[in-house]
Amino acid sequence: AQKITQTQPGMFVQEKEAVTLDCTYDTSDQSYGLFWYKQPSSGEMIFLIYQGSYDEQNATEGRYSLNFQKARKSANLVISASQLGDSAMYFCAMREVASGGSYIPTFGRGTSLIVHP
Amino acid sequence: DSGVTQTPKHLITATGQRVTLRCSPRSGDLSVYWYQQSLDQGLQFLIQYYNGEERAKGNILERFSAQQFPDLHSELNLSSLELGDSALYFCASSVTPLPGEETQYFGPGTRLLVL
Repeated sequence: AQKITQTQPGMFVQEKEAVTLDCTYDTSDQSYGLFWYKQPSSGEMIFLIYQGSYDEQNATEGRYSLNFQKARKSANLVISASQLGDSAMYFCAMREVASGGSYIPTFGRGTSLIVHP
Repeated sequence: DSGVTQTPKHLITATGQRVTLRCSPRSGDLSVYWYQQSLDQGLQFLIQYYNGEERAKGNILERFSAQQFPDLHSELNLSSLELGDSALYFCASSVTPLPGEETQYFGPGTRLLVL
């Protein structure tokens, strides 16, 4: 079963506008972590933001914020004041503890964001 | 720059061959992860090491193996290569795999092309 779902394969936004990228997750663990990564066309994976399952406040990092709704199992990324350089693939990921105490990270299929001037 | 280094950046080889990909984690990071990214499979977790010991296994083929050395660098060995092994291979590192310290920082990747 898919553990991370990103339902938007592609998104378009006007420069300077805000955009929300959706992510829902599936886990039965109480302790887990949620991440967003950006992958520009150059290929590298850039860490953006982290939310722990016990964190009561939504995480923020500059123009990025994570809208964490635990009961709905959603962890949407909000980018405020989009810039042309934000055009990239965005991946949502989850860390959960697997059997034996090991940790298996799971990534979604990604959302392609294009920012128009 | 994440601080994670990977070599080589590009690798072209033939089917049936064996290659070794190398990764140096960020200074102070004890945990190393390997991923394969392809168009059809997305980003797949392969294997994780923590302070020299294997910690978790994902979708890693038996033809693939990895290790983490005492200086914490890691190598991913791919053998009996097939066309379908062509992909972008990432290494990532984190301080530990423990909650609150598990944010992974990715290297630039090694692009492998099997002809």
